[in-house]
Amino acid sequence: EPEVTQTPSHQVTQMGQEVILRCVPISNHLYFYWYRQILGQKVEFLVSFYNNEISEKSEIFDDQFSVERPDGSNFTLKIRSTKLEDSAMYFCASSGVGDSPLHFGNGTRLTVT
Amino acid sequence: GESVGLHLPTLSVQEGDNSIINCAYSNSASDYFIWYKQESGKGPQFIIDIRSNMDKRQGQRVTVLLNKTVKHLSLQIAATQPGDSAVYFCAETSFNKFYFGSGTKLNVKP
Repeated sequence: EPEVTQTPSHQVTQMGQEVILRCVPISNHLYFYWYRQILGQKVEFLVSFYNNEISEKSEIFDDQFSVERPDGSNFTLKIRSTKLEDSAMYFCASSGVGDSPLHFGNGTRLTVT
Repeated sequence: GESVGLHLPTLSVQEGDNSIINCAYSNSASDYFIWYKQESGKGPQFIIDIRSNMDKRQGQRVTVLLNKTVKHLSLQIAATQPGDSAVYFCAETSFNKFYFGSGTKLNVKP
């Protein structure tokens, strides 16, 4: 069964550094998402992406965040200057058209020191 | 904004018993609902979904019930097994925008 893959599984970075989290969504999906989950809390929406542009973003997704689909398979989340509070699990997800569930990757655990 | 919440944060059941996990949603426009299971260190995994034109849907050992009148969603797990121990989230969606509840932790006692 096709799945969403994310790399790396764990990223440790120093405050102020840039990080890029990578995702390969399911190949025939058209909607792409990034979510984050702080330990013990609920999954929070960051951004959705469709037709090569951001379709919606949350308050969390400020100017320090950006997304890109550089080719036909990868979908990346960049945090320009990380802060301690960016430490969380970051999940990539994708879905097809119509009533279609989100399929999640296993996440990247980002630790900012 | 929309909110999706759960009645109980933790549910403990005996192995072999049935489990019922509840969820309330607030957006009347939501037309598609999904239950996810999240095991420790993993991403949410799709369990079962239901469209707003249905009130019940069954899968393998799982049943989802939707009551649109009171905006309530439930997940029933039959003959709960130790492998069912996880956090369960409901999600409501409309126009490809998904909202998640905070989750219920299911503990299955052997």
